[in-house]
Amino acid sequence: KQEVTQIPAALSVPEGENLVLNCSFTDSAIYNLQWFRQDPGKGLTSLLLIQSSQREQTSGRLNASLDKSSGRSTLYIAASQPGDSATYLCAVPNSGAGSYQLTFGKGTKLSVIP
Amino acid sequence: GAGVSQSPRYKVAKRGQDVALRCDPISGHVSLFWYQQALGQGPEFLTYFQNEAQLDKSGLPSDRFFAERPEGSVSTLKIQRTQQEDSAVYLCASSSQGSSPLHFGNGTRLTVT
Repeated sequence: KQEVTQIPAALSVPEGENLVLNCSFTDSAIYNLQWFRQDPGKGLTSLLLIQSSQREQTSGRLNASLDKSSGRSTLYIAASQPGDSATYLCAVPNSGAGSYQLTFGKGTKLSVIP
Repeated sequence: GAGVSQSPRYKVAKRGQDVALRCDPISGHVSLFWYQQALGQGPEFLTYFQNEAQLDKSGLPSDRFFAERPEGSVSTLKIQRTQQEDSAVYLCASSSQGSSPLHFGNGTRLTVT
């Protein structure tokens, strides 16, 4: 069964810093990996989707990388802003026939201090 | 266009009551998912629909949980005889096809007292 781990569980940084969030998964036979953002009391917003054939995806100040062989992904946030404060979750689909099912990590709670 | 809409936003039920949670997916989205998110945890898969067909219900915790999508659009998650362990946020998500990026609603927070 796929397991997803996110480190650290929480992170507090001063505004303007660059930061890296980590995600690891146990089954490397994945089709893609997705990073989400969750604000308190809200649903999840998809940030980046990396296909298994890709090594990274970029959107604005966000860059996500994927290393399938080592079972790892990182989300890099450049020049952090207070508005980036949220919980960030990564998710991978199950392998095989149930690939529509996502397995999520517990998330990293990010606080950007003005 | 409108995103995924869920109602109610909050629901308080007494133990043993039945509840029904509604999800309006993005128009035209074929795939619809229900996830359960306990406090401090990531969402966990409950069930998956493709149009009106429920293709996977392996994540439903017990036979007290039932989901339907009779016309391939709106979906309802029903929980019978609620228990305290059912307290969680129930998230609905839709996508244009099974492996496309998911669009989540804001969820329904269920509290069973």
